[in-house]
Amino acid sequence: AQTVTQSQPEMSVQEAETVTLSCTYDTSESDYYLFWYKQPPSRQMILVIRQEAYKQQNATENRFSVNFQKAAKSFSLKISDSQLGDAAMYFCAQNGGATNKLIFGTGTLLAVQP
Amino acid sequence: DTGVSQNPRHKITKRGQNVTFRCDPISEHNRLYWYRQTLGQGPEFLTYFQNEAQLEKSRLLSDRFSAERPKGSFSTLEIQRTEQGDSAMYLCASSLGGLIETQYFGPGTRLLVL
Repeated sequence: AQTVTQSQPEMSVQEAETVTLSCTYDTSESDYYLFWYKQPPSRQMILVIRQEAYKQQNATENRFSVNFQKAAKSFSLKISDSQLGDAAMYFCAQNGGATNKLIFGTGTLLAVQP
Repeated sequence: DTGVSQNPRHKITKRGQNVTFRCDPISEHNRLYWYRQTLGQGPEFLTYFQNEAQLEKSRLLSDRFSAERPKGSFSTLEIQRTEQGDSAMYLCASSLGGLIETQYFGPGTRLLVL
């Protein structure tokens, strides 16, 4: 069975600093995608960044980047120059099966201190 | 393009009543997913449609739950004889499919069963 594990229930970072959120996953699929989604309080979930498993190069989107370690099945998210608007719940997810349904971790609640 | 919309945004009902939620996906998206999110947890997959065909249902989807997507456009999720354990956020997502699968989420319908 596919699983996604986020071992940090809560994290805190100072504004303008860098923070890394951890995620590990388990799958028997050879072709899959990994995602980080952001869910602000009482607002809808939005995609932060996506990584194709067949790509060795780590994905980056402005201040957001990932460290994808395929052999270790690790997929961490680094947020640089943290901003107050980054405060949210962050979910790591993997798509699975023929339907590409998403399997989510339990989330990491990120607080940004001014 | 207004994104994925869901109605109602909030629903309070009494145990034993039936409720129905609606999801309008992004136009031209042929894939539609329903997820359930309980407090402090990541979303869990419920069911998947490709166009009008329901191709996968989770074991979480008991026989009290039914979903439809007539004509491959909007989708409805009905819960019959609601129970307090059904209280959760019900999320809808849609995607275009293809090689790069990204799901776009709606704001969700928060259900409270008294």
